[in-house]
Amino acid sequence: EAGVAQSPRYKIIEKRQSVAFWCNPISGHATLYWYQQILGQGPKLLIQFQNNGVVDDSQLPKDRFSAERLKGVDSTLKIQPAKLEDSAVYLCASSSTDGNTEAFFGQGTRLTVV
Amino acid sequence: AQSVSQHNHHVILSEAASLELGCNYSYGGTVNLFWYVQYPGQHLQLLLKYFSGDPLVKGIKGFEAEFIKSKFSFNLRKPSVQWSDTAEYFCAVKLKAAGNKLTFGGGTRVLVKP
Repeated sequence: EAGVAQSPRYKIIEKRQSVAFWCNPISGHATLYWYQQILGQGPKLLIQFQNNGVVDDSQLPKDRFSAERLKGVDSTLKIQPAKLEDSAVYLCASSSTDGNTEAFFGQGTRLTVV
Repeated sequence: AQSVSQHNHHVILSEAASLELGCNYSYGGTVNLFWYVQYPGQHLQLLLKYFSGDPLVKGIKGFEAEFIKSKFSFNLRKPSVQWSDTAEYFCAVKLKAAGNKLTFGGGTRVLVKP
């Protein structure tokens, strides 16, 4: 079974530029999560989708971050404009909604804003 | 709001020592509980999970965790660590009543000295 795919693996941008990250979840997984993991901290949930609907985006900085999952499969997270404090690893995870299941994580995208 | 606390940020121990990492959560409803591990340079991987039943759960690589409902705790243990257990460990809680929102603790960085 293929895992959660994320791209790119690394990205370096200047502040005020925009950037987009892509995630393809495990086939058939209805739930998709985006997390931000700042160095030395635990993953912080940014947004959670179930199919193409948003379940929780309470911690998403909506003035600069946006995410979509238009067809309920792959998802894109965008930052525009980026700030220095956005430097982090952006993790995508997916899980099934059938019964009790765990979330599976991708390798993440390491973003450096300079 | 739901929160997950991990008591130790850093733990240093020698091979063959016993390990116990604390995790407490703040939500009183039905939860699923997880421990994830992140080895250097790798993505988050599931160590073990608790959904229901026996509160003592066994995971991979000799790890186990005990769910104590009255204490809102899910502590991770390993009787004898190896150098290869050097990693960062994250406790996570999923709230079924909140649309399967998955919240992580801040992580504990474990260094096992050979």
